[in-house]
Amino acid sequence: EAGVAQSPRYKIIEKRQSVAFWCNPISGHATLYWYQQILGQGPKLLIQFQNNGVVDDSQLPKDRFSAERLKGVDSTLKIQPAKLEDSAVYLCASSVRLAGGDTQYFGPGTRLTVL
Amino acid sequence: DAKTTQPPSMDCAEGRAANLPCNHSTISGNEYVYWYRQIHSQGPQYIIHGLKNNETNEMASLIITEDRKSSTLILPHATLRDTAVYYCIVSRGNYGQNFVFGPGTRLSVLP
Repeated sequence: EAGVAQSPRYKIIEKRQSVAFWCNPISGHATLYWYQQILGQGPKLLIQFQNNGVVDDSQLPKDRFSAERLKGVDSTLKIQPAKLEDSAVYLCASSVRLAGGDTQYFGPGTRLTVL
Repeated sequence: DAKTTQPPSMDCAEGRAANLPCNHSTISGNEYVYWYRQIHSQGPQYIIHGLKNNETNEMASLIITEDRKSSTLILPHATLRDTAVYYCIVSRGNYGQNFVFGPGTRLSVLP
């Protein structure tokens, strides 16, 4: 079974530029998550989709971050304009219900450096 | 979701069992205990989860105390490739649940 795919793996941009990340979840997984992981910290949830609807975006900085999940499969996360503090790894995860509770499976992440 | 407390770091000798503790004293009855690990430059990897009973799979064993206020992840024969940050998370079993990651425990397996 293929895992969660993300691209690009690395991105370097200057502040005030825009950037987009792409995620393809595991086939059949209805729930998709985007996390931000700053160096030395655990991942922090940015947004959660169920199919193509948003379940939770309470921690998404909506003045500069946006995300969409067209047709309930692939998803893109965009930052416009980027700030220095956005330098982090952006992780995508998808989940399926196993016996007793969901289990989230993570992609390799996109490492963003904002200069 | 309940918060968890883990030691920031631990060492373990290669070939020995690694026992990683987690306190979750405010866990509620419908919350599961999940363990993930993150090897350098990779995304978090699912290890195991449980509700009340002890669980075992090909990677590890999960021991949950009877009052469910703490748990221990056991890697029976640690290898150098088990060096990683281990996260203990408690969360409801609802579809589309929200995981709250703490800083985790950095396990170093030493040769």
